[in-house]
Amino acid sequence: QVHLVQSGAEVKKPGASVNVSCKASGYTFSSYGISWVRQAPGQGLEWMGWISAYKGNTNYAQKLQGRVTMTTDTSTGTAYMELRSLRSDDTAVYYCARNVGGAFDIWGQGTTVTVSS
Amino acid sequence: QSALTQSASVSGSPGQSITISCTGTSSDVGSYNLVSWYQQHPGKAPKLMISEVSKRPSGVSNRFSGSKSGNTASLTISGLQAEDEAHYYCCSYAGSRIFHVVFGGGTKLTVL
Repeated sequence: QVHLVQSGAEVKKPGASVNVSCKASGYTFSSYGISWVRQAPGQGLEWMGWISAYKGNTNYAQKLQGRVTMTTDTSTGTAYMELRSLRSDDTAVYYCARNVGGAFDIWGQGTTVTVSS
Repeated sequence: QSALTQSASVSGSPGQSITISCTGTSSDVGSYNLVSWYQQHPGKAPKLMISEVSKRPSGVSNRFSGSKSGNTASLTISGLQAEDEAHYYCCSYAGSRIFHVVFGGGTKLTVL
């Protein structure tokens, strides 16, 4: 069974950083890219960026450039997303998802990040 | 990159068919046959329903179908069932040399 399992919920203060992990199982991790997608409360899906698990090259959504970093550890099959200088409007559920072509066929369960003073 | 445009809501009775449209531009929907559709129930992760405009992943009911014309993609659900009530999101590849996608704002489907 192919799975992506994410780390647990986080509560952060404005200005802090958060690091969310996404551990893959059931497939060859380096054969696929991973994207991160977030969803603010009551809102739609927002693509944050993509990382090639094979080469490690990345592409981030323009609005997050400079605040987000995506990495992978191929030895453990884990992807990471760090978001810095958190603001209240970063409060959202953060998902990792496996890329197949232009689609996302496997999703993590989501990680709730709450930014509050 | 602007979000793809979807109607906010659509409704239908059990057994009926509905179509959800997703309008982009010549830089995304119009340029690539890489439109996908996702179903999301409350509190759950999205689920891939259609990839590459019209391909159904294994396990997805054949009541779901996708198409594209120009800059507009469509998802049709036939034989509506109560469990189809959910939010539906379209997504299109928008990159040129590196992976980049854009989502639609989502459509809430209500089964009356």
